[in-house]
Amino acid sequence: KAGVTQTPRYLIKTRGQQVTLSCSPISGHRSVSWYQQTPGQGLQFLFEYFSETQRNKGNFPGRFSGRQFSNSRSEMNVSTLELGDSALYLCASSSGSAGGANVLTFGAGSRLTVL
Amino acid sequence: DAKTTQPTSMDCAEGRAANLPCNHSTISGNEYVYWYRQIHSQGPQYIIHGLKNNETNEMASLIITEDRKSSTLILPHATLRDTAVYYCIVRVGNYGGSQGNLIFGKGTKLSVKP
Repeated sequence: KAGVTQTPRYLIKTRGQQVTLSCSPISGHRSVSWYQQTPGQGLQFLFEYFSETQRNKGNFPGRFSGRQFSNSRSEMNVSTLELGDSALYLCASSSGSAGGANVLTFGAGSRLTVL
Repeated sequence: DAKTTQPTSMDCAEGRAANLPCNHSTISGNEYVYWYRQIHSQGPQYIIHGLKNNETNEMASLIITEDRKSSTLILPHATLRDTAVYYCIVRVGNYGGSQGNLIFGKGTKLSVKP
């Protein structure tokens, strides 16, 4: 069974540009979450999508946005890039079914460098 | 969600058991204890979770105290590949609400030495 796939794995952008990252969840998983990881702040939750709807959002500015498609694939977008947006962006998927424990499966991440 | 406290770092000799403690003294009755680990620059990897009972899988064992205020992750025979940051997370179960917003602390950096 294929894992969570994130593309691209590495990218370099300059300040002011925008970037779109893609995530394909495990087949059958309906929930996709995004995280940002930096050396200073650690792993921080960005947002979660379930059945094409944003279900939860972390404390990030509006420059960070996302969406989910009917096949559960998700994209996140960061506009007007700042140097501080340089980070590893991680996507995680889960079944989304109600009840009981939750287990997230993470992708390998997209490493963004902003110059 | 309850907060957790973990030691910043630990060392373990290869082949020995690694016992990673986690304190979650404010845990509530419907909160699970999860363990994830992250090997350098990779995505976090799920290890194990538990609610009240001790749990074991092919990777590790989870021992939860009777009062549920602390737990220990046990890697029975640590290898060099187990060197990673280990995160203990406490979170409520999913009852129709959000699932994906885990709160990761700083974790424990485990160094397995030959």
